Amino acid sequence: GEDVEQSLFLSVREGDSSVINCTYTDSSSTYLYWYKQEPGAGLQLLTYIFSNMDMKQDQRLTVLLNKKDKHLSLRIADTQTGDSAIYFCAEGYPRSASKIIFGSGTRLSIRP
Amino acid sequence: EPEVTQTPSHQVTQMGQEVILRCVPISNHLYFYWYRQILGQKVEFLVSFYNNEISEKSEIFDDQFSVERPDGSNFTLKIRSTKLEDSAMYFCASSDPRGSNQPQHFGDGTRLSIL
Repeated sequence: GEDVEQSLFLSVREGDSSVINCTYTDSSSTYLYWYKQEPGAGLQLLTYIFSNMDMKQDQRLTVLLNKKDKHLSLRIADTQTGDSAIYFCAEGYPRSASKIIFGSGTRLSIRP
Repeated sequence: EPEVTQTPSHQVTQMGQEVILRCVPISNHLYFYWYRQILGQKVEFLVSFYNNEISEKSEIFDDQFSVERPDGSNFTLKIRSTKLEDSAMYFCASSDPRGSNQPQHFGDGTRLSIL
């Protein structure tokens, strides 16, 4: 079946690293995504990783994929107040024009 | 950077009325999608569209829903007779045709409120 699970909340201190975790069930997914949603705004594509990769780094963002355990994580280094948002993990499928399955989203809040 | 634009940002409609949500996808994209997010719930897939026809649709996308690409730039979602449970944020997305499963880029959404 298709399911993506995330913890609902994460609170970190400003300047620390944030690690948001996600598990998915369908091994046929080929792309795994992280989207960011700020209050009242749309879904901003942050980064994505192909399922044949283990890691992808993009400035302060590091994505780790453990395909055996179907576990995906997003690490945000040096977390800033502007990183406060809901972060959605999502999986995509090999067929073109195919749907994305979203997790429930993790609300990241930053403590001073 | 090119973006997906959606109008209106907020639509208030009486139950039973028809509503049309509009989207302008990124100009060189050929795959188009609608998703919805009921308050406090997950973002759910509704429908995908390519080459002037529906590629895939979910169970939510019943006969009350339809999509159309009326011209070269717009992509619309019509709900024929709205119900209270149609209240949600509706997101349009588009993706590049080069290669399969290029990332989908989303608009800011239309908040639909049914009274």
